[in-house]
Amino acid sequence: EVVLTQSPDFQSVTPKEKVTITCRASQSIGGSIHWYQQKPDQSPKLLIKFASQSFSGVPSRFSGSGSGTDFTLTINSLEAEDAATYYCHQSSSLPHTFGQGTKLEIK
Amino acid sequence: QVQLVESGGGLVNPGGSLRLSCAASGFTFTDYYMSWIRQAPGKGLEWISYISSRGRIIHYADSVKGRFTISGDNAKNSLYLQMNSLTAEDTALYYCARQAGISETHAFDFWGQGIMVTVSS
Repeated sequence: EVVLTQSPDFQSVTPKEKVTITCRASQSIGGSIHWYQQKPDQSPKLLIKFASQSFSGVPSRFSGSGSGTDFTLTINSLEAEDAATYYCHQSSSLPHTFGQGTKLEIK
Repeated sequence: QVQLVESGGGLVNPGGSLRLSCAASGFTFTDYYMSWIRQAPGKGLEWISYISSRGRIIHYADSVKGRFTISGDNAKNSLYLQMNSLTAEDTALYYCARQAGISETHAFDFWGQGIMVTVSS
């Protein structure tokens, strides 16, 4: 099973700040990593697929990069509405696995 | 627009059974792989099963293998999850989710609102 480890677990940030969340895989997964945003009491929403492809309708301040074992989700110029928990997900091999989540708090 | 609506959750005794349903609309159901994913209260996401676009390929997480059965009804555009031998560890919000293509390697591009399953005496 591919274990995904996100860092940090929690981050308190101010609006307009740039945020970087990392996801490290326990083995190489090529580019089969996806990123989701989950706000309280809502279902997760896809932000980035296959490491760097933006999903339709997602604001351009969200971007992704990486390959192999190390991946990054970047949020440029953070907005208050970005307060949420972010998860990475790998689809390279079964079982699908998710990172433990990174909670972003807006100061 | 794509909609996924889960139903069938509730409170069940340990050892009991439940059948979850997911009604899909806004897309051609037979063109996509579908999954069930769960989230225990205050916890992260756990994928538990997927079914291929025409139901020929099915996989389960080890945590539910032998107890849960995924199925689909293309005529009704519906996905199901039969859950047997439930334990407290199965208590979670259960989501159905569409995979963004005809393979298990795609992201989950649309999710239902989730349905709560509570296993307790």
